[in-house]
Amino acid sequence: QVHLVQSGAEVKKPGSSVKVSCKTSGGTINSYGLAWVRQAPGQGLEWVGGIIPMFGKPSYPQKFHGRVTITADKSTSTTYMELRNLRSDDTAMYYCARASRCEYDHWGQGTLVTVSS
Amino acid sequence: DIQMTQSPSSLTASLGDRVTITCRASQSIDNFLNWYQQKPGRAPTLLIYSSSSLQTGVPSRFSGIGYGTEFTLTITNLQPEDFASYYCQQSYIMPRTFGQGTRVEI
Repeated sequence: QVHLVQSGAEVKKPGSSVKVSCKTSGGTINSYGLAWVRQAPGQGLEWVGGIIPMFGKPSYPQKFHGRVTITADKSTSTTYMELRNLRSDDTAMYYCARASRCEYDHWGQGTLVTVSS
Repeated sequence: DIQMTQSPSSLTASLGDRVTITCRASQSIDNFLNWYQQKPGRAPTLLIYSSSSLQTGVPSRFSGIGYGTEFTLTITNLQPEDFASYYCQQSYIMPRTFGQGTRVEI
């Protein structure tokens, strides 16, 4: 049984950075893609970026270029998402998700990131 | 980026109803279209992938169809646990993009 377990909630100041982790158990991450999706309060889902650990090269939407970095540690089956220069509109629930083929079939429980002065 | 447009943004239905949600892509995505269900306070769950393939464990009252730019998700015989939000997502090209969501309410 595959489980994705994310790190705990974070409260950050504007301009700072946050790094959220997602550990996969019950399976290897080598052969799958991993993505990060966020959801602002009361809003829809937004793709933050993804990585295929076997290949190592991440992909990000233009909107986040330069502010987000997604990495994967194959030895610990853990994926990380770092978001820099935080703004108040980055306040959201951040989910990691595993891609089986092209769809996200397993999701983490979510990590609430609050950006507030 | 490919824009995904869902309609309606919300709908009101009753138990036993048949409900249809539409998702349109701004360009052809073949059948690279997935549907997710999300209940309040929970992570999304996969319902349908590749436009029409039912994810393991999902009830057969959920079905999907479509190719190219137009897709539909249908729920027949609406059950209490189906009242939730539904999102389409294209997996044809990076960046992945989601529809804005459809809330199904009683």
